[in-house]
Amino acid sequence: AQSVSQHNHHVILSEAASLELGCNYSYGGTVNLFWYVQYPGQHLQLLLKYFSGDPLVKGIKGFEAEFIKSKFSFNLRKPSVQWSDTAEYFCAVNGAGRRALTFGSGTRLQVQP
Amino acid sequence: DTAVSQTPKYLVTQMGNDKSIKCEQNLGHDTMYWYKQDSKKFLKIMFSYNNKELIINETVPNRFSPKSPDKAHLNLHINSLELGDSAVYFCASSQVSGGSITDTQYFGPGTRLTVL
Repeated sequence: AQSVSQHNHHVILSEAASLELGCNYSYGGTVNLFWYVQYPGQHLQLLLKYFSGDPLVKGIKGFEAEFIKSKFSFNLRKPSVQWSDTAEYFCAVNGAGRRALTFGSGTRLQVQP
Repeated sequence: DTAVSQTPKYLVTQMGNDKSIKCEQNLGHDTMYWYKQDSKKFLKIMFSYNNKELIINETVPNRFSPKSPDKAHLNLHINSLELGDSAVYFCASSQVSGGSITDTQYFGPGTRLTVL
């Protein structure tokens, strides 16, 4: 069975600080990887995704993530966060043949002005 | 021109009642999903339909019954509501190719269900 772990449950940063959120998954086969963001009171929006190719993927709003197959990781990064990045961030995975997403427990990011 | 829409946005009801949530997508996708987000923000798949056919049915009480009249609509009916059903329910859609998703799942705005 697939599972996703997000070890940082709550992260507090000051504006302009760099961000890295961890995501590890367990699945032996080919996977598709996603990061979604949920701003307060809003629905899930896709930040970025990885299907194949270059393991460093760039998403919207200056976010990027790196797929490291040997570590089963897909960490999210942003060099300089803004107050507007305050939100809940979810890592998700689906493996070949599994059509639904398996989500991590989410990381709440709070950016202080 | 909302891609995935849900109604209602908020639903407050008493224990024991029956309620429905509706979802519509105008993206032309062939697969739709219901996810449940609990009070700790954990998201879990409940059901998925592909071209009106049920393809995923996780361990969900049979008080929950999804219905897909066509591939653009997926409704969720809940009988005999319980306190533990309080959550945010998200609908999503995607286009499935082969045996896996090669496109993105797009989510609706969610329906916050509160059972009193």
